[in-house]
Amino acid sequence: DAKTTQPTSMDCAEGRAANLPCNHSTISGNEYVYWYRQIHSQGPQYIIHGLKNNETNEMASLIITEDRKSSTLILPHATLRDTAVYYCIVRVSREYGNKLVFGAGTILRVKS
Amino acid sequence: EPEVTQTPSHQVTQMGQEVILRCVPISNHLYFYWYRQILGQKVEFLVSFYNNEISEKSEIFDDQFSVERPDGSNFTLKIRSTKLEDSAMYFCASSGPTVSNQPQHFGDGTRLSIL
Repeated sequence: DAKTTQPTSMDCAEGRAANLPCNHSTISGNEYVYWYRQIHSQGPQYIIHGLKNNETNEMASLIITEDRKSSTLILPHATLRDTAVYYCIVRVSREYGNKLVFGAGTILRVKS
Repeated sequence: EPEVTQTPSHQVTQMGQEVILRCVPISNHLYFYWYRQILGQKVEFLVSFYNNEISEKSEIFDDQFSVERPDGSNFTLKIRSTKLEDSAMYFCASSGPTVSNQPQHFGDGTRLSIL
């Protein structure tokens, strides 16, 4: 699975959009981009995923560049509860062995 | 919204003792996973399980570890003889019912403390 690069940390003002970048320049055509977050020591929480097209759900939007070498997770109106570690993971969807490989992620601090 | 539940939330065990961590995956999911996170470190994959078989395991998942789906709802991780370095948060996850690109959903974990 392709490697990802994320900034170590970011700050965002409450109520503003949080834009979290991820670089995955070695991504291959059948690899999906997944975003998870982990609030304090809770279990990782699934946010969103995509292959080529931009995706939006009730939590966030995922923008994938046309060449698929990078993506951005957008939290449209960040709240204090969005303070967490955000993980960008690239993964092939196989019939078996769909493990997730977590990196260090980006620590997002939402400030009032 | 359906969720993965794990019990107990905190387990304290003497070194050398056996411990069983329990998970109830989301009911229509068919793929099950265990991960662990040592304090301050990354989340690490341990094992994936499908159709009553291990489909993949990491090098962490040695002979001291085993997994089982004893009935239609539970998924367990057993550590036969615990070591101090087994102290960690253990997360269960499930996905499905089809494999494709289904995301994994995690429980809130069991904190295992080995004394």
